[in-house]
Amino acid sequence: DAMVIQNPRYQVTQFGKPVTLSCSQTLNHNVMYWYQQKSSQAPKLLFHYYDKDFNNEADTPDNFQSRRPNTSFCFLDIRSPGLGDAAMYLCATTPAASGRGTDTQYFGPGTRLTVL
Amino acid sequence: GENVEQHPSTLSVQEGDSAVIKCTYSDSASNYFPWYKQELGKRPQLIIDIRSNVGEKKDQRIAVTLNKTAKHFSLHITETQPEDSAVYFCVRGGLGVTGGGNKLTFGTGTQLKVEL
Repeated sequence: DAMVIQNPRYQVTQFGKPVTLSCSQTLNHNVMYWYQQKSSQAPKLLFHYYDKDFNNEADTPDNFQSRRPNTSFCFLDIRSPGLGDAAMYLCATTPAASGRGTDTQYFGPGTRLTVL
Repeated sequence: GENVEQHPSTLSVQEGDSAVIKCTYSDSASNYFPWYKQELGKRPQLIIDIRSNVGEKKDQRIAVTLNKTAKHFSLHITETQPEDSAVYFCVRGGLGVTGGGNKLTFGTGTQLKVEL
């Protein structure tokens, strides 16, 4: 059964047209993450939520925003997509149960974003 | 800093041979070291992880070693098979923010090709 679900799997948008990517999880995990992965590169953390606490990475552009309305769902909003934002966007979750930062992260299948 | 260096960037081996990927990190607070395998167009999949209280861990054909003093860790795959062909990422993890939730920093990846 799917544990971390991302919709849509493929998203095409136009330059400058806002887009929202969705992630949901059935694991009841505290922490949800958004990563950006460009072609032939490693995933790069954009931000994460620990419960309702939002944690932004210092180098994440303001163009990227996130919302977490409840434990199960987390959204990535790209306010004005540019050509350089074309990438695979990966959602991940972790339970944070250990309190030591050693918990496994579980990745969703990703959404591949194309910007025309 | 928090960077993780990974070598080699590409690795070709003959089926049945062993493959070794090495990584170094600089943050002494790191205490969690997962390895992810990513096939083209798919999500990163956790294949093995090691926590800082052990020096070695093995799971069938895969083994990881960790030297915390030297701040390096390695992945060893024995008896390689064509289905092992993928990109492998070493990752360092640890507490990202107060209250929990680990933060992963990915290495640059190794493209492993197992040839018949």
